Amino acid sequence: EAGVVQSPRYKIIEKKQPVAFWCNPISGHNTLYWYLQNLGQGPELLIRYENEEAVDDSQLPKDRFSAERLKGVDSTLKIQPAELGDSAVYLCASSVGQGSYNEQFFGPGTRLTVL
Amino acid sequence: SQKIEQNSEALNIQEGKTATLTCNYTNYSPAYLQWYRQDPGRGPVFLLLIRENEKEKRKERLKVTFDTTLKQSLFHITASQPADSATYLCALPFSGGYNKLIFGAGTRLAVHP
Repeated sequence: EAGVVQSPRYKIIEKKQPVAFWCNPISGHNTLYWYLQNLGQGPELLIRYENEEAVDDSQLPKDRFSAERLKGVDSTLKIQPAELGDSAVYLCASSVGQGSYNEQFFGPGTRLTVL
Repeated sequence: SQKIEQNSEALNIQEGKTATLTCNYTNYSPAYLQWYRQDPGRGPVFLLLIRENEKEKRKERLKVTFDTTLKQSLFHITASQPADSATYLCALPFSGGYNKLIFGAGTRLAVHP
């Protein structure tokens, strides 16, 4: 069974440029998460989807971040414009059910460097 | 507000010894707690979930305890191996609901041959 796929694995951009990350969850997983992980810290939830509906985007900086999961399968997270402080690893995860007790399966992440 | 504390200093142990990692939490009484392992350059991998009424749970060389009075979970790896070297994260459900997890910062374990 294929795991959670993310691309690109690495991205280097200059500040004020846009950037997009793509995630394909495990087949059959209805719940999809985007996390941000800073060095030496645990993942922090940005947004959670149940199928195509964003059910928790309270931590997503909506002035510059946006996300979509149009068909309830793969998802894209966008930053426009990027700032220096956005440098971090962006992780995508998926789970079968929506309860937080469900095991979450993480992708390898996209390491973003903003210069 | 909800707070999770894991030892920020790396834990260095000799191969074959038991590693014990600590996860403390405050201002909350979670119904369960999860442990994840994260290797450099990779996403976290789920290891174990323990519920508040379980007190202890085992999986192969792993053992997790959950003391709701002390507000603490201990994560043990017995007969540790260099391959166990990684960062271990504990995660609790968000006290405000929303079906989301809050992760600790993790503790890095280094097992030396």
